Amino acid sequence: GDSVTQMEGPVTLSEEAFLTINCTYTATGYPSLFWYVQYPGEGLQLLLKATKADDKGSNKGFEATYRKETTSFHLEKGSVQVSDSAVYFCALMGGFQKLVFGTGTRLLVSP
Amino acid sequence: EAGVAQSPRYKIIEKRQSVAFWCNPISGHATLYWYQQILGQGPKLLIQFQNNGVVDDSQLPKDRFSAERLKGVDSTLKIQPAKLEDSAVYLCASSLQGLAPLHFGNGTRLTVT
Repeated sequence: GDSVTQMEGPVTLSEEAFLTINCTYTATGYPSLFWYVQYPGEGLQLLLKATKADDKGSNKGFEATYRKETTSFHLEKGSVQVSDSAVYFCALMGGFQKLVFGTGTRLLVSP
Repeated sequence: EAGVAQSPRYKIIEKRQSVAFWCNPISGHATLYWYQQILGQGPKLLIQFQNNGVVDDSQLPKDRFSAERLKGVDSTLKIQPAKLEDSAVYLCASSLQGLAPLHFGNGTRLTVT
């Protein structure tokens, strides 16, 4: 079945550092790909998405490119802030609108 | 636009007791989902409704979990009897028919002692 694998955390960075969180997927067909973020005490929020190969999703300085050849959707940000500290989930949606999540990566940004 | 509403926010029960969670999706959203998020893991789909019909309940432990969506709007998820391993956050989400993204509620945190 469809699945998502993302790097284990926590990822600990200093403010203004470069961020990469790796995500790879296994799916039949051509899924849509997503990054969701969960801030402490809050619900899941959509951060960005890409619906076809080579699409780049972007939001709040975060970017991810849908790479079909490597089945990847890595999340990047050029300069992280303390307020970016959260848990980040990579997810895919294949057939029947079923959203499948990875295990999540906790990001901790220190001043 | 009002978001997905869930209640209660927290619930503590003893094992073998029963519990119910309620979800009110965004108005007009035909698809409703219940996810289970165990601490340290990603959300796992329990059941998906399209209007008031079940699309996918393959990962719902049907011996103890049940869900319904009467009239295709609100939904309830019930656990009876609860086990210790049911301790988790139960997330409700909704989406427009055939369209992503999913909009999530804040969840119900269940602790089974």
